[in-house]
Amino acid sequence: AQKVTQAQTEISVVEKEDVTLDCVYETRDTTYYLFWYKQPPSGELVFLIRRNSFDEQNEISGRYSWNFQKSTSSFNFTITASQVVDSAVYFCALCGGATNKLIFGTGTLLAVQP
Amino acid sequence: DTGVSQNPRHKITKRGQNVTFRCDPISEHNRLYWYRQTLGQGPEFLTYFQNEAQLEKSRLLSDRFSAERPKGSFSTLEIQRTEQGDSAMYLCASSPPLAGEQETQYFGPGTRLLVL
Repeated sequence: AQKVTQAQTEISVVEKEDVTLDCVYETRDTTYYLFWYKQPPSGELVFLIRRNSFDEQNEISGRYSWNFQKSTSSFNFTITASQVVDSAVYFCALCGGATNKLIFGTGTLLAVQP
Repeated sequence: DTGVSQNPRHKITKRGQNVTFRCDPISEHNRLYWYRQTLGQGPEFLTYFQNEAQLEKSRLLSDRFSAERPKGSFSTLEIQRTEQGDSAMYLCASSPPLAGEQETQYFGPGTRLLVL
């Protein structure tokens, strides 16, 4: 079975702080894909980043960076120098094997205070 | 290029009525997905089309739910005899046919359904 766990329900930070969102996944597939999506109050899910299971290289894209570790089945996401506009619910998602469906975690509500 | 669009954005209906939602994917995206999201939860997969073929359906999709994509472009999701438990946000997503990109799904704004 596939599963995504986001243990952090809510996080509150002050603007300009760095914040890391945790994600742990379970899958028996050898090929899979991991994603982070952002859902602002407007409700639309916005694609942020994607990582393939065969590529563990961690990257930085602007203020976003991610840490993918297959050994611990974790795919953590960091926002550097957070801004009020980063306030949203962030979802980690898994797409594995032959299936094309996304399995989502329950989300982490990030509140960035000015 | 415009994103995924969904209509209506909001729907209020009475229990027992039928409702239909429409999704227009990003042009040239051959894959289309429907998800349902209830308050405080992540989206849950309902069904998936590749072109006009419905290739996968979730057990969540009871016999009151039907989805179509007749010409491989837009899709409709119909709920018959709505129940209060159907109240949720219904999200549509599409993904491109390009190898190495087809797993990335782009979502529409959703249709929020309230069943009274």
